[in-house]
Amino acid sequence: EDQVTQSPEALRLQEGESSSLNCSYTVSGLRGLFWYRQDPGKGPEFLFTLYSAGEEKEKERLKATLTKKESFLHITAPKPEDSATYLCAVQAREAGGFKTIFGAGTRLFVKA
Amino acid sequence: ETGVTQTPRHLVMGMTNKKSLKCEQHLGHNAMYWYKQSAKKPLELMFVYNFKEQTENNSVPSRFSPECPNSSHLFLHLHTLQPEDSALYLCASSQDRGEQFFGPGTRLTVL
Repeated sequence: EDQVTQSPEALRLQEGESSSLNCSYTVSGLRGLFWYRQDPGKGPEFLFTLYSAGEEKEKERLKATLTKKESFLHITAPKPEDSATYLCAVQAREAGGFKTIFGAGTRLFVKA
Repeated sequence: ETGVTQTPRHLVMGMTNKKSLKCEQHLGHNAMYWYKQSAKKPLELMFVYNFKEQTENNSVPSRFSPECPNSSHLFLHLHTLQPEDSALYLCASSQDRGEQFFGPGTRLTVL
């Protein structure tokens, strides 16, 4: 069964304390992996798309990487405004098209 | 207006009411989606429309009825809902099933 698992469920950091969020997946026929940021009461905001193992994308303090089994979202020297829920989604091929499976998310809290 | 908009932002309804959620995308995309987001659960895909044609219906109860009159507008008609249907309902759009862009959501409470 296709599955996307994010860990940890919640992460508390001090401002400036770098860390990584994990998204592991088991799908047949990966087409792409997406990272989103979601603030409370708002819709998810698109961050990155990764298509193949070894690919990396960066945006400000965030860097996303992809292997054949998992993706990491590295946060370098986080600030309180980076506090949010980070969602990972995997798009997989299926008969007749594609399907997108979301993980449950990692809630990040950054304290000043 | 830019991106994906949703109205209303908040909705409280009784179990016997009929209401509709509206979504509009200003991105020129050809696919639109409805998701349900409950606390501490992954996003649940409800419906997908490609070029106005419904391509996915993930075993959603018939009390939820989608409508897609054109590639920019998407509705979710609600009737005789249950309290467990209370959630954040998110609309998204994409080009050719690529990365999805989400609206702000409608917070629905069913009494």
